[in-house]
Amino acid sequence: GAVVSQHPSRVICKSGTSVKIECRSLDFQATTMFWYRQFPKQSLMLMATSNEGSKATYEQGVEKDKFLINHASLTLSTLTVTSAHPEDSSFYICSATLAISTDTQYFGPGTRLTVL
Amino acid sequence: SQQGEEDPQALSIQEGENATMNCSYKTSINNLQWYRQNSGRGLVHLILIRSNEREKHSGRLRVTLDTSKKSSSLLITASRAADTASYFCATVPPAQKLVFGQGTRLTINP
Repeated sequence: GAVVSQHPSRVICKSGTSVKIECRSLDFQATTMFWYRQFPKQSLMLMATSNEGSKATYEQGVEKDKFLINHASLTLSTLTVTSAHPEDSSFYICSATLAISTDTQYFGPGTRLTVL
Repeated sequence: SQQGEEDPQALSIQEGENATMNCSYKTSINNLQWYRQNSGRGLVHLILIRSNEREKHSGRLRVTLDTSKKSSSLLITASRAADTASYFCATVPPAQKLVFGQGTRLTINP
C-alpha cells in the first residue's frame, strides 16, 4: 500500500512555457503532500508543503509565483512551473503523508524536467 | 539549512561484503529515517528509528542511533548488486519536516 504516482515522468519543454506536474496518492488519502527538487548527484531540497484545501507553505528562497502548487483533493497535488527557464531543469519529487510531522513520507517516482 | 551530513559520499565494495554508511546531524530530532534512491527514481523508505531507540533491524539492514553524538549508521550486510543506489538519511526535528543529508552513493561490484 501507500503508493504515490507522478505524471509525467519526463518532460522537455521550451523556455517560457509552463509545465504542470501531478502527484497522486493511489491508495490512501494524503492530508499533506511535499514537493522536493533534486539536482544531479545532490540531495533533496524541500520546496513547499501542500495541505488539501489550503495554500501551500513555501520554503525560504522558493518563489511561490514561479512554482504554483494546488492541492485540490486528498489524493492530488499539482506543481506548475511557470515560464520555465533552463535553470529550472531538475528532478522534481513529491511525497505524501498521513500526518505532517510524524513517521514516513511516501515518495513518488519523480519527474525529470528539461527546459531547452 | 540541511542537517544531515553523510559519510562517505561514495562507497564501492565487492558483492557479499558489508557496507556501512554514517550520518551526523546538528539539532535534536524526533526520529531519523533512511531512504534509498536508485538512479533517476524516487525514494524508497528503508527504516525509521526514533530518538529513544538505539538500534533497529530490518532484514539485512541494521541502523544505530547515538543521540549523544548526534549520529546514525546504516549497515547493509551481505551486499548484493541490487543494493547499488544512493542512500540518504533524513532527520525529523520536533514539529518540523524531513531534512535530507547529502547521501552516500553505494556501488556493489559483482
